Formats: sequence, C-alpha cells, structure tokens
Amino acid sequence: AQKVTQAQTEISVVEKEDVTLDCVYETRDTTYYLFWYKQPPSGELVFLIRRNSFDEQNEISGRYSWNFQKSTSSFNFTITASQVVDSAVYFCALSERTQGNTPLVFGKGTRLSVIA
Amino acid sequence: GAVVSQHPSRVICKSGTSVKIECRSLDFQATTMFWYRQFPKQSLMLMATSNEGSKATYEQGVEKDKFLINHASLTLSTLTVTSAHPEDSSFYICSARVVGVYNEQFFGPGTRLTVL
Repeated sequence: AQKVTQAQTEISVVEKEDVTLDCVYETRDTTYYLFWYKQPPSGELVFLIRRNSFDEQNEISGRYSWNFQKSTSSFNFTITASQVVDSAVYFCALSERTQGNTPLVFGKGTRLSVIA
Repeated sequence: GAVVSQHPSRVICKSGTSVKIECRSLDFQATTMFWYRQFPKQSLMLMATSNEGSKATYEQGVEKDKFLINHASLTLSTLTVTSAHPEDSSFYICSARVVGVYNEQFFGPGTRLTVL
C-alpha cells in the first residue's frame, strides 16, 4: 500500500530564512511519481513539481529546490530565502504506475507560516 | 496547461437539500476524474474515481447513495450531495487525469460547501 508521511505539521520561520519540508513515502511499485502542491488560503491547489521514480536528479526552480533520495524514500522540499507569500499548506503526494486509474495519495500537509 | 473548472466555487444550503457540483476539463478530454474531500486543516481524502460512461468507484466509507457521481461525457463529471447535513460541510476538489507519459492530474479550484 502506498503512503506519504509529512511529519512536520506546522513550521514557522522568519522571512529570509531557509526552510525544508520533509516528505517520506512508501510504495511497492518500482514506477511511481512524486508531487508537491501548495495550497494557499484560497484553497486552490498549486502544482509545484512532479518527479518520476527513475529520475533522482535534484531540481532547482528559483527559490525552490527538491531533493529526491530513493535510498531513504524521501522527497524533501526546500524554500530558500522564504517570503511571506510562501505562507501556505504544502502537500507531498504519490501516484503509483502510469497505467490504470491511480489517484494521488496525499500526505497530511505541512502548514508553513513565514513571519515578516 | 490543462485547465479544470469547478462550479459553484462556494455554496451554502439548508440541511436536507441536495447540491450538485460540476467538474469540467476545459481544454482536454478526461476519461478519469477523481473527487476529493478536504475537511478544515486536514489533507485531501479520495472519495471516488469517476470513469466516463461507467459507474464510479467509491472509497471505503464513502456512501454511494449520498454522494452521487455522474461522468456522462469526457469533459464533465458531477458530484451530487444528496440530503446534505452539516457534517457534509467541506471543501470538495476534483481532478482530471491526463493519460500520457506522465501520470498527470490537474485539479479544479475546489467547491466550499456549507450546510446549515
């Protein structure tokens, strides 16, 4: 069975600090996809990144970076020089296989508060 | 990118009434759509998988007769909450799956249901 664990329920940082959001996943499949979404107070999910299980290369997009470690089943997300606009709930999600009707399994989310 | 719309974005109704929520894929065809429910400060929980032209597959604990799902076309799925009660108040989010190289899902903006 697939499972996503975000151990950090809430994180509070001061603006300009770096912050890392942890995500640990469980799956029996060798082919799977990992995602990060941002959910601001408006509620709409904002897609941030997708990573497939065969691509362990880390990725950087502006102030965002992701560290995929298959050996530890982790897909951590770092925000550098955080800003107040980064305040939101961040969800890590997992989807198994490319075929079939496999939905996303979400972690419980991490609520990030960036204080000015 | 692919766009998914939901209507209405917000609805308030009296207890005992039925509410219909529409989920549309605007610029692509979606053979599969998913319905999620999110209670305040909680994660997204899959309610059901909706397949065009066939019956929806419900997750354990989700009442089929209470949450009616219809996926009559490749661009529209509807969720009807029948005889709504205050405990049904929640944020309902749909997603549409794009079949291809990546197991991509595009999320609608969500519908906030409040049952008085």
